[in-house]
Amino acid sequence: QVQLVQSGAEVKKPGASVKVSCKASGYTFSGFYMHWVRQAPGQGLEWMGRINPNSGATNYAQKFQGRVIMTSDTSITTAYMELRRLRSDDTAVYYCARSPPDGSGSILDSWGQGTLVSVSS
Amino acid sequence: DIQMTQSPSSLSASVGDRVTITCRTSQSIGSYLNWYQQKPGKAPKLLIYVASTLQSGVPSRFSGSGSGTDFTLTISSLQSEDFATYYCQQSYSSPVFGQGTRLEVK
Repeated sequence: QVQLVQSGAEVKKPGASVKVSCKASGYTFSGFYMHWVRQAPGQGLEWMGRINPNSGATNYAQKFQGRVIMTSDTSITTAYMELRRLRSDDTAVYYCARSPPDGSGSILDSWGQGTLVSVSS
Repeated sequence: DIQMTQSPSSLSASVGDRVTITCRTSQSIGSYLNWYQQKPGKAPKLLIYVASTLQSGVPSRFSGSGSGTDFTLTISSLQSEDFATYYCQQSYSSPVFGQGTRLEVK
């Protein structure tokens, strides 16, 4: 079965960077996009961007352009999301989620368990 | 960017009730609309995609309809496990989520 297993919780200081991993199993990793979505405490879902693990091509939400880097390593079927210059309002649960290739849009059909990133001085 | 307006923001209902949640987009998106359920402390779960297709394993009491700019999620007979928050998401362009609808016990 499809599984996306994320790395553990992180505590960071403002200005630092965080890198969250998402280990995929149960499907052909390079055949699906991987998205990153975050959720601040008590708030809704916010799409950050996606990566095509087959090509490495990325699309980022404008809000995060210049501050986020999404990468993947097909040899270990793992996707990564690095967020730089952290601020207190980056405190959130970060999710990875896969979607089938373009054609039917970004349908997020499997999700990781989430990684809490806390930013505090 | 496409704006999403989901309503209501919260809803109180009882087991057995029929519940409808609405999602409106700022421009036509065809049928590129998905619905998710999220329970506290858990990741979202895909319920319906391309407006009306039920994800595998999702009970048939859930249904979706609409196209263009107006969409609905209907739960025909609410069960106890359905109390959760529901989000719509457009997949016509870069994904955007609605604000969420919190479904609570009356």
